[in-house]
Amino acid sequence: EAGVAQSPRYKIIEKRQSVAFWCNPISGHATLYWYQQILGQGPKLLIQFQNNGVVDDSQLPKDRFSAERLKGVDSTLKIQPAKLEDSAVYLCASSGLPGFGSPLHFGNGTRLTVT
Amino acid sequence: AQKVTQAQTEISVVEKEDVTLDCVYETRDTTYYLFWYKQPPSGELVFLIRRNSFDEQNEISGRYSWNFQKSTSSFNFTITASQVVDSAVYFCALSARDSNYQLIWGAGTKLIIKP
Repeated sequence: EAGVAQSPRYKIIEKRQSVAFWCNPISGHATLYWYQQILGQGPKLLIQFQNNGVVDDSQLPKDRFSAERLKGVDSTLKIQPAKLEDSAVYLCASSGLPGFGSPLHFGNGTRLTVT
Repeated sequence: AQKVTQAQTEISVVEKEDVTLDCVYETRDTTYYLFWYKQPPSGELVFLIRRNSFDEQNEISGRYSWNFQKSTSSFNFTITASQVVDSAVYFCALSARDSNYQLIWGAGTKLIIKP
């Protein structure tokens, strides 16, 4: 089975610019997550989708971050405008069953550098 | 409050040595799941194991073994006869109702296996 696909792999932008990341989950996986991982830390959940609905976006900085999963399959995460502290790896994950106890399958991530 | 502590920031051993990665968790829930993930230099988080709170049986998978002890709130991970390919950052994580079933991640332990 194909894994979680993410693009781009790397992105370098200047502060105040905008950027978008794309994720295609494992086929048939209804739950999709976006995580932010700062170097040396564990992942931090930004948003969780169940099909095309948002389950949890409590840690998403909504003044600058947005995400959508319009058809319940692939998803995009956007940052506008970017700040220096947004430099991190953005990880997309999916799971076949909702929530509790279901292992997550991660993509390779997008490494964002904001200068 | 829920918390996962991985006190070992970095461990360095010589190939073929055994190594144990510690994980201590805190939760008031009686039903929860514990996970271990591996993050090699490529960046992708790879699911290794899931254990629910009612199953205290130790698990062995090849050179990997896991020791779950509710009495000490620990879920330790041992690699026997380590290999260079085991070099990675290892994360322990907890999922329980108190955290709305979202994964609570430890800070990770960087494991370096020297040839």
